[in-house]
Amino acid sequence: GAVVSQHPSWVICKSGTSVKIECRSLDFQATTMFWYRQFPKQSLMLMATSNEGSKATYEQGVEKDKFLINHASLTLSTLTVTSAHPEDSSFYICSAERGQLGTEAFFGQGTRLTVV
Amino acid sequence: AQTVTQSQPEMSVQEAETVTLSCTYDTSESDYYLFWYKQPPSRQMILVIRQEAYKQQNATENRFSVNFQKAAKSFSLKISDSQLGDAAMYFCAYRSDDGNKLVFGAGTILRVKS
Repeated sequence: GAVVSQHPSWVICKSGTSVKIECRSLDFQATTMFWYRQFPKQSLMLMATSNEGSKATYEQGVEKDKFLINHASLTLSTLTVTSAHPEDSSFYICSAERGQLGTEAFFGQGTRLTVV
Repeated sequence: AQTVTQSQPEMSVQEAETVTLSCTYDTSESDYYLFWYKQPPSRQMILVIRQEAYKQQNATENRFSVNFQKAAKSFSLKISDSQLGDAAMYFCAYRSDDGNKLVFGAGTILRVKS
């Protein structure tokens, strides 16, 4: 199967600082990447859809100026949490797809963000 | 909008026994895809099984099989010969034929007793 690498696996940052999370497709080109947020024992909540070379599409209620997404190449998408606050602490997961409809999504291992 | 419902927050099964996780969904579309994903304690999402709605035959992958009832909009997962490694949170997910977003259910925590 295809491999998606997410980095870092965990990060602790101070309130008010920004943190960047990377999502890389290692052995395929991902036309679309997705960013999710997951609270403990809950489902994945889609934050945004990222297409290479274009602006990300954010889900309702997700602040685009707070969660900056960049998909500069077919193998890399980044999520930057700007001016992080404790309420941004969560588990963030990315997924990538090859572009064929109906095929499976390949997930990164997730990033646990703790804002102190 | 499509919705996916998993009505069992938690399930338990004895090792080597069989367990069925339920999933229902709501859609007005005729062509779509359904998935079961497993999220173990490592939190890495792993695809368990996939079903195309246009296929009548139920998908199977080794010990995992589904009961796909299109008219009833039901997509249950059966795990046979349960193993300790099957303990995880299981998510049912839907994707429309012309869309690329996955719609997830709330998840079912599966505990396997030895």
